Amino acid sequence: KQEVTQIPAALSVPEGENLVLNCSFTDSAIYNLQWFRQDPGKGLTSLLLIQSSQREQTSGRLNASLDKSSGRSTLYIAASQPGDSATYLCAVGRSYIPTFGRGTSLIVHP
Amino acid sequence: EAQVTQNPRYLITVTGKKLTVTCSQNMNHEYMSWYRQDPGLGLRQIYYSMNVEVTDKGDVPEGYKVSRKEKRNFPLILESPSPNQTSLYFCASSGGAAEAFFGQGTRLTVV
Repeated sequence: KQEVTQIPAALSVPEGENLVLNCSFTDSAIYNLQWFRQDPGKGLTSLLLIQSSQREQTSGRLNASLDKSSGRSTLYIAASQPGDSATYLCAVGRSYIPTFGRGTSLIVHP
Repeated sequence: EAQVTQNPRYLITVTGKKLTVTCSQNMNHEYMSWYRQDPGLGLRQIYYSMNVEVTDKGDVPEGYKVSRKEKRNFPLILESPSPNQTSLYFCASSGGAAEAFFGQGTRLTVV
């Protein structure tokens, strides 16, 4: 059974910092890995999707990497802003149905 | 526009009163699933479906039923809801190794 772990569980940083969120998974036989953002009580917003054959994806200030062999992914957020405050979820796709980590709750304070 | 639509968005009901949460996708995806999200526990999979008439249990299926009679629809049925099923529910669909799309969520309260 796939287990997905996200570290840290919570993070509070001052505006402007570059930060790294970590995701690890136990079964490397995956199809893809997807990072989501969730605002309190709201739905999931897809940020980045990395296929199993890819090493990284970039969108604006976000960069996600994937190392399938070691079962790790990182989400890098450059020059963080208060509007980045949210919970970030990592979802590992195997059998096409994602398995989620518990998320990293991020607060960026001015 | 590609989307997954859940209804209702909010629901308050009483213990034991059967309810159905609908989920529909317009992307002709084979794969659909239901999750519940609870504080501290993250998103846990309830049921999933690989195609029409093919469904299987996820991690927390007790107290739930699903059906997949048509490709676009995947309703979640609570035959006799209980307070421990109070949660935020999400429906998702995907077309294989491509990204998964999620509905806006249904906040269910069972009193």
